[in-house]
Amino acid sequence: AQSVTQLDSQVPVFEEAPVELRCNYSSSVSVYLFWYVQYPNQGLQLLLKYLSGSTLVKGINGFEAEFNKSQTSFHLRKPSVHISDTAEYFCAVTPNTGGFKTIFGAGTRLFVKA
Amino acid sequence: DAGVTQSPTHLIKTRGQQVTLRCSPISGHKSVSWYQQVLGQGPQFIFQYYEKEERGRGNFPDRFSARQFPNYSSELNVNALLLGDSALYLCASSFSSSTEQYFGPGTRLTVT
Repeated sequence: AQSVTQLDSQVPVFEEAPVELRCNYSSSVSVYLFWYVQYPNQGLQLLLKYLSGSTLVKGINGFEAEFNKSQTSFHLRKPSVHISDTAEYFCAVTPNTGGFKTIFGAGTRLFVKA
Repeated sequence: DAGVTQSPTHLIKTRGQQVTLRCSPISGHKSVSWYQQVLGQGPQFIFQYYEKEERGRGNFPDRFSARQFPNYSSELNVNALLLGDSALYLCASSFSSSTEQYFGPGTRLTVT
């Protein structure tokens, strides 16, 4: 079984400041890792994914994440946030053994202040 | 290209009623998954269908059922609705069972 823990429920940050949203996971098998963003009253949009290879993954809107296998973490970062980045962010894992029971974290609300 | 579409966008039902939600995947995608997102929480996996067969099921009661049609569209049915079924129901499609998912805008179900 897999589980995902997003360590911060809310992260307030000033515009143009850097931000890190933390995600830890546990799994008995190898997994694929994802970050999604959800704007109010909308579905989820994929920000980035880690399937294999380089542990530093770059996504859309200037976001990046680093996979750390030993610490079972996949933290999301952005060097300079904008007001428009205010949204809910979800970390998710999927077993890479086939099937698609994706497990999501509870989400982190990023609030960017002017 | 059209993304994942879901209908209806909003729905209000009474306890004990039945509801059917619909999802059309991105053209060429053969896998559809359903998720329930209760307000303030992350999405919870309900079902995955691939090539019209159920490939995964989450921890939901038998009141929840789904199917996938030959054109890969899908329906989620919920019987004997409870107040706790009020949620945003998300559909996601992918090319295969092991590639990234694309989500639709969701159906907001309110049970009164």
